[in-house]
Amino acid sequence: DTEVTQTPKHLVMGMTNKKSLKCEQHMGHRAMYWYKQKAKKPPELMFVYSYEKLSINESVPSRFSPECPNSSLLNLHLHALQPEDSALYLCASSQDPAGTDNSPLHFGNGTRLTVT
Amino acid sequence: QKEVEQNSGPLSVPEGAIASLNCTYSDRGSQSFFWYRQYSGKSPELIMSIYSNGDKEDGRFTAQLNKASQYVSLLIRDSQPSDSATYLCAVKESGGFKTIFGAGTRLFVKA
Repeated sequence: DTEVTQTPKHLVMGMTNKKSLKCEQHMGHRAMYWYKQKAKKPPELMFVYSYEKLSINESVPSRFSPECPNSSLLNLHLHALQPEDSALYLCASSQDPAGTDNSPLHFGNGTRLTVT
Repeated sequence: QKEVEQNSGPLSVPEGAIASLNCTYSDRGSQSFFWYRQYSGKSPELIMSIYSNGDKEDGRFTAQLNKASQYVSLLIRDSQPSDSATYLCAVKESGGFKTIFGAGTRLFVKA
């Protein structure tokens, strides 16, 4: 069982819908991440939160809006998505994102998103 | 642009054989290296981490690191059909927040 919990597992939404993906971890990790993964491709970094502050935005379109309400929770708000945004969205956490830290990423089970 | 290169495969080995997966990376300052296993439709699962030159063994898995050659490998002994998956090599960039993933190697273990 993963220690990073993502909901929902599957989501189908229209291009005019607004929806949110949720992620929760209780390992005391201080860094949380959103990745996007298309079929047969590696995970692609979208956002990094470090100590609840947005540290990295990999030039992600504004139709994706991250939020970190506290150190255990991470949300991804979705609005006006395109069919090409259909993918597996992965949340991950790590103990400390600082450059001297060696801790690996711990992934949740992902949300399979389909945009119609 | 920092890169992690893997042979995409597929790599096919018979059951009971040793599977050897290789990875090279471009960031000479990187200190942290990881192997993730990903089954089709599932999320990546950490199977090995290695930080020092040499070998690190965990059960049937051995990770090998050579920083001078910027090379990381994963050996799977006594391969089982359940090992059939995509194996992602991941490198944490030096002094930064990012973990960079290779494209992954698809492994098939034939019963």
